[in-house]
Amino acid sequence: GAVVSQHPSWVICKSGTSVKIECRSLDFQATTMFWYRQFPKQSLMLMATSNEGSKATYEQGVEKDKFLINHASLTLSTLTVTSAHPEDSSFYICSAWDSNTDTQYFGPGTRLTVL
Amino acid sequence: QQPVQSPQAVILREGEDAVINCSSSKALYSVHWYRQKHGEAPVFLMILLKGGEQKGHDKISASFNEKKQQSSLYLTASQLSYSGTYFCGTEDAAAGNKLTFGGGTRVLVKP
Repeated sequence: GAVVSQHPSWVICKSGTSVKIECRSLDFQATTMFWYRQFPKQSLMLMATSNEGSKATYEQGVEKDKFLINHASLTLSTLTVTSAHPEDSSFYICSAWDSNTDTQYFGPGTRLTVL
Repeated sequence: QQPVQSPQAVILREGEDAVINCSSSKALYSVHWYRQKHGEAPVFLMILLKGGEQKGHDKISASFNEKKQQSSLYLTASQLSYSGTYFCGTEDAAAGNKLTFGGGTRVLVKP
């Protein structure tokens, strides 16, 4: 299947700082990428849909000023968690939509811990 | 609304079979199945696009009943590597490639 990378794989930061997570589709172009959040033993909760060249679409209850998304190219989307707090600690996973196969492929995830 | 997966968990002996169901309250355009191992990202298994479609991947297969708005994943002659949490992701006609994931089914295959 297609390959999606995510960086960093884990990050620990202090409360109040900002953290940027990158998501790259390595062997296909993705006009649409998705950002999910997953708590332990729970399902994948969609945060936002990232569209190349346009504004992201956020799910209800997700603060767009806190979770900044930029989809600057057909292979890169970034999620910036601004002014992070301990409750933002979670596993963040991106996925990229491959229109050739009508399938979402997931990155390896980023574990964020905010102290 | 999130699709409902059942059972929530299943324990199998190596070689045994299991069925995981995924039901939606909405009319579905497609159903996607993923498996996630602990601490890792979900791995794509298969996609079902048409009602009545059945697919297979190794000894894992799935069916899609469009009328009943449900899909089933079949684990046949399970192997230790089948352990993990299985998620169905459903796409409805208005979703625009967006998937809504079920709560997951935790599968443990024991020797």
